[in-house]
Amino acid sequence: IAGITQAPTSQILAAGRRMTLRCTQDMRHNAMYWYRQDLGLGLRLIHYSNTAGTTGKGEVPDGYSVSRANTDDFPLTLASAVPSQTSVYFCASSADSNTEAFFGQGTRLTVV
Amino acid sequence: GQNIDQPTEMTATEGAIVQINCTYQTSGFNGLFWYQQHAGEAPTFLSYNVLDGLEEKGRFSSFLSRSKGYSYLLLKELQMKDSASYLCAVMDSNYQLIWGAGTKLIIKP
Repeated sequence: IAGITQAPTSQILAAGRRMTLRCTQDMRHNAMYWYRQDLGLGLRLIHYSNTAGTTGKGEVPDGYSVSRANTDDFPLTLASAVPSQTSVYFCASSADSNTEAFFGQGTRLTVV
Repeated sequence: GQNIDQPTEMTATEGAIVQINCTYQTSGFNGLFWYQQHAGEAPTFLSYNVLDGLEEKGRFSSFLSRSKGYSYLLLKELQMKDSASYLCAVMDSNYQLIWGAGTKLIIKP
C-alpha cells in the first residue's frame, strides 16, 4: 500500500541518549516534513526538505537534525534527548511544497 | 507574528450542521487547508481554498475570505464518526504551513 511509514511507533528514551526517527514514503513526493504535536499547540515544523539533497529549518529546529540522501527517506535525529522533546512526531510528504501533505502514523516519544 | 485562531472545542448533535471558524494573520498567503485528525491518529486532508468562496465536497464545505483573513469548515448531516479534531493551516509566503491548535468536535447522539 502506497504511503508514508514511520518507525518506531513509540519509544521511551533516557535523557542524553541519541535517537533517530525513521520516515519513508513511496509516493515519489518531492517535499518532506517533520512536525511535533503537543497538547494545546498546533503542529510545529521542525525541519523540511523541498527536494532530495536539500533541507531547511522550521519553527523549532534546535536539538534536531535531518538528512535527505534520497527521495524516499527523511530521518530525524535527536543528538542528545531532553525531556522537553517528549512529544508526538509526525513525518509528512507532499508532491510539491504547495500541495496537500500526507502524514505518517506518528511516533510517540517520551524522554525520561 | 503569525497566528491562526480557531475554537478549542465545539459540541454538536448527530444529524445537525456545525460550522468551525478559523481566522488567520500570516506573512503572505498561498492557500488554506483543513485537516481532520481522529484521536491518536494522523491528520488527513479535507480541503484546500486559495480563492475566495465556497468549496463543496460531499457533506463537507470550506469557505474562504482573504480580505477578512477568515475561513470556515461546514459539516452537514453530522455522524458520530465526525467526532475528531479539525485543524486549520495557512500556507505563508515561504510556502510553509502555519497550523492552528485545532478544534475538538464532540458529536452527541
